[in-house]
Amino acid sequence: SQQGEEDPQALSIQEGENATMNCSYKTSINNLQWYRQNSGRGLVHLILIRSNEREKHSGRLRVTLDTSKKSSSLLITASRAADTASYFCRAGSYQLTFGKGTKLSVIP
Amino acid sequence: DAGVIQSPRHEVTEMGQEVTLRCKPISGHDYLFWYRQTMMRGLELLIYFNNNVPIDDSGMPEDRFSAKMPNASFSTLKIQPSEPRDSAVYFCASSLEGRTGELFFGEGSRLTVL
Repeated sequence: SQQGEEDPQALSIQEGENATMNCSYKTSINNLQWYRQNSGRGLVHLILIRSNEREKHSGRLRVTLDTSKKSSSLLITASRAADTASYFCRAGSYQLTFGKGTKLSVIP
Repeated sequence: DAGVIQSPRHEVTEMGQEVTLRCKPISGHDYLFWYRQTMMRGLELLIYFNNNVPIDDSGMPEDRFSAKMPNASFSTLKIQPSEPRDSAVYFCASSLEGRTGELFFGEGSRLTVL
């Protein structure tokens, strides 16, 4: 079973809007990581939040972590066309798997 | 500083042929991971190494798949014989901060088996 599952599977928004995607996991974790994958490219690490943290910011990214609900969310504020990509979470735990990702389309 | 380097970027081969994919991790990273990505199954972890030693190969789909890491700067993933269902993008990633740390991915090797 996948340790990280992203939701929604696809998201389409207008440029300038905020995009929120969610991740659920099953077991206890050390950390949770978010990655971006542009079409035809490798994954790029965006942000890591540790299990004892609740919220973390990096530029236009905001990540929250709720260990009681075993879930995390990634918020991209003021989205740009260049944010169009697939986004994956990875739960840092015994299982090292990824979910199938959220495909974000930002329409100019 | 160079990132993770994979070769070849694209490989087209016929069923039954041997395929070898190569990976050079970032210098100093002691964990190396091989993933496979398909539309149907998403990203699957095939195997990972720590200090050149295979730690978990439970994701390797069949005996046709093998992986080696003869030294800290080189790893191979071999498929022999290849089958059409092996068609996928194969990613190598390395990590400095352990098995649960941030991963640095290569650009992938896109394999098509006819």
